[in-house]
Amino acid sequence: QQQVKQSPQSLIVQKGGISIINCAYENTAFDYFPWYQQFPGKGPALLIAIRPDVSEKKEGRFTISFNKSAKQFSLHIMDSQPGDSATYFCAATWQGGSEKLVFGKGTKLTVNP
Amino acid sequence: EAQVTQNPRYLITVTGKKLTVTCSQNMNHEYMSWYRQDPGLGLRQIYYSMNVEVTDKGDVPEGYKVSRKEKRNFPLILESPSPNQTSLYFCASARGLDVPETQYFGPGTRLLVL
Repeated sequence: QQQVKQSPQSLIVQKGGISIINCAYENTAFDYFPWYQQFPGKGPALLIAIRPDVSEKKEGRFTISFNKSAKQFSLHIMDSQPGDSATYFCAATWQGGSEKLVFGKGTKLTVNP
Repeated sequence: EAQVTQNPRYLITVTGKKLTVTCSQNMNHEYMSWYRQDPGLGLRQIYYSMNVEVTDKGDVPEGYKVSRKEKRNFPLILESPSPNQTSLYFCASARGLDVPETQYFGPGTRLLVL
């Protein structure tokens, strides 16, 4: 119930392409879904987050799509760039339980020039 | 600059030799947490603290201790390190947990236990 399942484990995309990373959860109490971006040698940093009252959130080239009925959410990176090459983690938590930020296992994205 | 700092960044030690990894934040955050990151396993929470003198176990607390005597500091203590504690460790902090909040991560401490 506490798991967040993330796929794929790794992803290779050509420059200019669309990168899509998917996550699924079981716990219907989750109500906050952040995505973190981690570059080699650095700590994870918040990229974008969504709450379940909206189905999509866009910030620049990054979009989260959220499907509450399917208990799935995904990150789309449009016009992917080599600088986007990083490991991406989805996560989930709930109001009143934010100390239990549950992470997916991560997706290593490589964007080839 | 608002940040979470960890020291040391890299550490090689031997089995059984007690060590402490320090974590400090300058954002006056109430919440602090420790994670370990292992290949294929993602980030797993070790311990967290909701405020000074308030700590609780995360998902993988065995073999670790923490303390929160001051708001800004949250050291991670390995009393008797073992090779299975070789990992990349991250400290994180957040403003408060009355609503879901962004957690800010430190740069990481890479630990090798021989």
